[in-house]
Amino acid sequence: GQSLEQPSEVTAVEGAIVQINCTYQTSGFYGLSWYQQHDGGAPTFLSYNGLDGLEETGRFSSFLSRSDSYGYLLLQELQMKDSASYFCAVRGGGATNKLIFGTGTLLAVQP
Amino acid sequence: DTGVSQDPRHKITKRGQNVTFRCDPISEHNRLYWYRQTLGQGPEFLTYFQNEAQLEKSRLLSDRFSAERPKGSFSTLEIQRTEQGDSAMYLCASSLSAVGRGYTFGSGTRLTVV
Repeated sequence: GQSLEQPSEVTAVEGAIVQINCTYQTSGFYGLSWYQQHDGGAPTFLSYNGLDGLEETGRFSSFLSRSDSYGYLLLQELQMKDSASYFCAVRGGGATNKLIFGTGTLLAVQP
Repeated sequence: DTGVSQDPRHKITKRGQNVTFRCDPISEHNRLYWYRQTLGQGPEFLTYFQNEAQLEKSRLLSDRFSAERPKGSFSTLEIQRTEQGDSAMYLCASSLSAVGRGYTFGSGTRLTVV
């Protein structure tokens, strides 16, 4: 089976840096993705790591260590609009390419 | 292209009734997924289509659930004899075959069974 663990909540202040961790257990591994979801909104794709290392996209970076079954999402220069839920997801492999999502981390950015 | 569209946005139904949701994916995306999300949880995979073929169904998808994607374009998800436990947000997503591109999700249909 597959399971992903994330902290349930994180609080940070505007302008700060926050790291959201994700550990996973999968029967096969084909990459780690991150999605953002605002309350009542659709999940939106943020980042993907297929190989070990850091991927940077603007204020967001994502890191993967396959040997540790671990990844994180790093958000820099936090803004109020970053308050949302963040989900890590693993690709299950095979023909379907389906994503298995974690339970999510609710980020609250305070002024 | 305006992204993935889902209809309706909200649906309130009485227990035992049948409901049908529609998803219009991004036109060039050949892969379409249905997920279910309850409060405080991540999306749970329900089923997957590649073009018009339904290639995978989750064990979460009981016999009361059926999905179709005729002609490989829009998709419908039907729930028969709804139960209160079916209350959730039903999300549709589409993607290209390429790895790492990510899914594009629709805004979902929120189902409330009373």
